[in-house]
Amino acid sequence: AQTVTQSQPEMSVQEAETVTLSCTYDTSENNYYLFWYKQPPSRQMILVIRQEAYKQQNATENRFSVNFQKAAKSFSLKISDSQLGDTAMYFCAFMTRRFGNEKLTFGTGTRLTIIP
Amino acid sequence: DSGVTQTPKHLITATGQRVTLRCSPRSGDLSVYWYQQSLDQGLQFLIQYYNGEERAKGNILERFSAQQFPDLHSELNLSSLELGDSALYFCASSVGEGEQFFGPGTRLTVL
Repeated sequence: AQTVTQSQPEMSVQEAETVTLSCTYDTSENNYYLFWYKQPPSRQMILVIRQEAYKQQNATENRFSVNFQKAAKSFSLKISDSQLGDTAMYFCAFMTRRFGNEKLTFGTGTRLTIIP
Repeated sequence: DSGVTQTPKHLITATGQRVTLRCSPRSGDLSVYWYQQSLDQGLQFLIQYYNGEERAKGNILERFSAQQFPDLHSELNLSSLELGDSALYFCASSVGEGEQFFGPGTRLTVL
């Protein structure tokens, strides 16, 4: 079974600063996806970024980038030039690419507050 | 807007009752997933359907059941409801594998 651990329950940062959210996971699989989802106060789950395990290059989406360390089973999210709209819960999630097991396994989340 | 729709948005009911939650996936997506988000259990996978057939099961109670219809919409049926079933229920869809897109959720309150 896979587990996902987010060790920072809460974080806060000043607007325009950079913040890094941590995530570690445990799996015996070799082929999988990792995701970061954002859940703002509206409760909608929004996909932020995805990483395929076989790709060595770290994924980037505008101000969001990841640091994927496969051997260390670490998958952190960096938010640059943080904005008030980034205030949300952030969930790290794991998914195998094995047929019939495409469920998402989530961490417990990090509540991020951007301070004006 | 993810393109996944869920109805109703809110549902308030009493213990022992039965409810049905509905989900319409994004156009072209064959997979539908159901997740439960509660304060004590976090986000948990319940069940997945792919093109009308059950594909994977998670920690879904026997009182809960789901199905996916020929038009690919899905329904999650919750019966003999208990206070602990109060939660936010999400539906997500995907083409087959890869990223899942979530609906806005149905907030269920059991009194």
